[in-house]
Amino acid sequence: EAGVAQSPRYKIIEKRQSVAFWCNPISGHATLYWYQQILGQGPKLLIQFQNNGVVDDSQLPKDRFSAERLKGVDSTLKIQPAKLEDSAVYLCASSAPAPRGGGQGAHDTQYFGPGTRLTVL
Amino acid sequence: QQQVKQSPQSLIVQKGGISIINCAYENTAFDYFPWYQQFPGKGPALLIAIRPDVSEKKEGRFTISFNKSAKQFSLHIMDSQPGDSATYFCAASINSGYALNFGKGTSLLVTP
Repeated sequence: EAGVAQSPRYKIIEKRQSVAFWCNPISGHATLYWYQQILGQGPKLLIQFQNNGVVDDSQLPKDRFSAERLKGVDSTLKIQPAKLEDSAVYLCASSAPAPRGGGQGAHDTQYFGPGTRLTVL
Repeated sequence: QQQVKQSPQSLIVQKGGISIINCAYENTAFDYFPWYQQFPGKGPALLIAIRPDVSEKKEGRFTISFNKSAKQFSLHIMDSQPGDSATYFCAASINSGYALNFGKGTSLLVTP
């Protein structure tokens, strides 16, 4: 089974420029997440999609960040304009509902992609 | 506001020793507690997870201990190996289908 794909793997931009990241989740996974991981920190949720609808975007800086998941499959995350503090690894994850009757402890595992490392100069 | 607090920040263990990482949380609505392992240049990968209806879960050399009353949980790595050297994150969510709240991570180094 192919994992979560992300591109590009690395991106260097000047502040105030725009940048876009792409994510292709595991086939059949309805839920897609974008996390921001600043160096030395744990990942922090930016936005969560269920199919092509937004479930949670409460921590997304909407003045500069936007995300979409057209057709409920691939997703793009955009930053415009970028700031120095946006330098981080942007992780995409996907999950599928736990199988019914999975028993005690059945749960949706989030599978992460390799991330895109963004450096803003 | 950090919803999950993790310690220590870094840990050095000799090969064959036991690595112990601790986490604490405040939100009693959390119902799912996974541990993720991350190698440099890779995304986090699920290692083991527990729900609060059990106090311990073991998978191979990895064990989660859970103390609901203290709102704490820990990861024990038995017979630690150099290949276990990685960053470990604890996390919590109100349900497994919801976003994870991660700790700050523990950098583990297992020396030969």
